[in-house]
Amino acid sequence: AQKVTQAQTEISVVEKEDVTLDCVYETRDTTYYLFWYKQPPSGELVFLIRRNSFDEQNEISGRYSWNFQKSTSSFNFTITASQVVDSAVYFCALSGVPTSGSRLTFGEGTQLTVNP
Amino acid sequence: ETGVTQSPTHLIKTRGQQVTLRCSSQSGHNTVSWYQQALGQGPQFIFQYYREEENGRGNFPPRFSGLQFPNYSSELNVNALELDDSALYLCASSRSGASTDTQYFGPGTRLTVL
Repeated sequence: AQKVTQAQTEISVVEKEDVTLDCVYETRDTTYYLFWYKQPPSGELVFLIRRNSFDEQNEISGRYSWNFQKSTSSFNFTITASQVVDSAVYFCALSGVPTSGSRLTFGEGTQLTVNP
Repeated sequence: ETGVTQSPTHLIKTRGQQVTLRCSSQSGHNTVSWYQQALGQGPQFIFQYYREEENGRGNFPPRFSGLQFPNYSSELNVNALELDDSALYLCASSRSGASTDTQYFGPGTRLTVL
């Protein structure tokens, strides 16, 4: 069965601090895909990144970076120099073949609050 | 913005009633997935429609049913509403039903069952 664990329920930081959101996953799929989504108070899930299980290269996009480590089944997300607009709930999600197809299994989310 | 739209935005129903939620997929997408998100939790997969056929279902009872139309828009129907059905219902569209495709979400419909 697929499982995604986001152990940090809430994180509070002061603007300009760096913050890392943790994600640990479990899967029996041979090929799988990991995602991060952002959910602002409006409710819409905003896609941030997708990673496949064959690509362990870290990725950086502006202030965002992602660290995928297959050996520890982790896909962590770092925001550098956080801003108030980064305040949201962040979800890590997983899909894969052959068992889950394209259905996404989400973690419980991490509520990030960035204070001015 | 993703181009995925949902209606209505909010809905209040009473226990035992039936409800229909609607979703229009992004242009060029033929797959729609539905998720239920209870307060303070992550979204849970309800089912997916690919080219008008159900393409996978999560652990939800049969009173949750769906439909996809030739233009790939979709409906989620819930019969015999229960208090625990109160949640944010999210629709996501993707280019196909493959696990390689990213799902793009709409703004959701917030359902309250009294």
